[in-house]
Formats: sequence, structure tokens, C-alpha cells
Amino acid sequence: EVQLLESGGGLLQPGGSLRLSCAASGFTFSSYAMSWVRQAPGKGLEWVSVISGSGVSTFYADSVKGRFTISRDNSKNTLYLQMNSLRAEDTAVYYCAKVFYYDSSGKAYDCWGQGTLVTVSS
Amino acid sequence: EIVLTQSPGTLSLSPGERATLSCRASQSVSSSYLAWYQQKPGQAPRLLIYGASSRATGIPDRFSGSGSGTDFTLTISRLEPEDFAVYYCQQYGSSSTWTFGQGTKVEIK
Repeated sequence: EVQLLESGGGLLQPGGSLRLSCAASGFTFSSYAMSWVRQAPGKGLEWVSVISGSGVSTFYADSVKGRFTISRDNSKNTLYLQMNSLRAEDTAVYYCAKVFYYDSSGKAYDCWGQGTLVTVSS
Repeated sequence: EIVLTQSPGTLSLSPGERATLSCRASQSVSSSYLAWYQQKPGQAPRLLIYGASSRATGIPDRFSGSGSGTDFTLTISRLEPEDFAVYYCQQYGSSSTWTFGQGTKVEIK
């Protein structure tokens, strides 16, 4: 069974830093791109970042570019999100999600973690 | 950047009724890159439809997706009590970025 388990959320002040982790199991982790998606309280889903299976390629939403860094350790089956210079608007539940490939180039998220809450407040 | 606009914002229906949800893109989207998700309160999203019209594993056949270009539709043929939730469309862009619509809430009338 595919499982994703996020950890590392918490309460911190504006300007602070935090690293989220997502432990994966039940699939060949290194074969799949992984993403972070967040959801502010009472709001919709916002894509944050994606990393290729090898970790070589990374992409970010403009709202976090230059402040957040996605990475992975395939030997530990773990995805990370390093968040720096945090702002109040970064307050959200952060989900990790596994990319599902279909057809020749289609991609969607077929498995999600339960999420971890990050609250940025003074 | 492609913007996805979902309508209506809220759909009030009774169990057994048909639900039709719309997702409109600001520019043409490849059908292969359009997906739909369901999210219930306190839960993570769940993949329903990928490639605009293919049901994900375990999704009942009362859920169907259609559309192409800039207009896509998610249809729930007969609403079951467990279908009342928020639904999001999502597209995967050529620049390796992803976009979600703002969501449609299907609530019990």
C-alpha cells in the first residue's frame, strides 16, 4: 500500500525557517516525481513545488521561488521542503503528493499524505 | 500561466440528482493534462479523473469527465451521500508547473 506521511509542521514567527519531511512507502520512491501542495485555512489547493525522481529537476510556484527548496533522499525514501523567510501568507496545511504518469506525458497526483500544518504568526 | 476557473462556486443538490461541474481554462489545455480531485473536510484530496476522462482506480462509474481545449466538465450522474464534498480541477503545464481551480463545493440541498 502506498503511504505518504508528512511531519515537521508547527508554529513559528515571520521570517523563520522550517523543514518539512514526507516519508514514503509502498512504491519505488526514486521512480516517481513528488510534489508539495498547500492549502491555506478555508481556501483551495495551491501547487508549491515538484521534484523529479532523480532529484535533478525542480520547479516552484512564483509565490515561493527563492524562499523554498524541495529536495529528496532516495536512500531514505523521504521528500523534503525547506522553507525560509516565512510569511503569514505561507500559513497552510502542506501536503506531499506522488506523481502518477499516464499516456505519453500526462501527470496527476494519485496519492497524497494527510498533511502537516504550518502556522506563521507573531 | 494558465488560470483555471471553476463554476459554480457552490452547487446545492439532493441525493440522487445529477451534478455538473465546470472548469474553464484561460488558454487551451491538453486533455492529457487535466485532472479532477475530490476533497472532504479534514481529508487530503483524492484523484477522481485524469486525462480529462479516465477514472482513477476505485472511482465509481457515476463519476465521469469530459471536455477539451478550454472547457472541461465533471459529471456525477446520481449523487450519493458520500459525494458531497469540494471538487478541484487541475492542469499540468508545459513549463512543469501545476495549477488548480478554486474549487466547487457540492452541498446537500
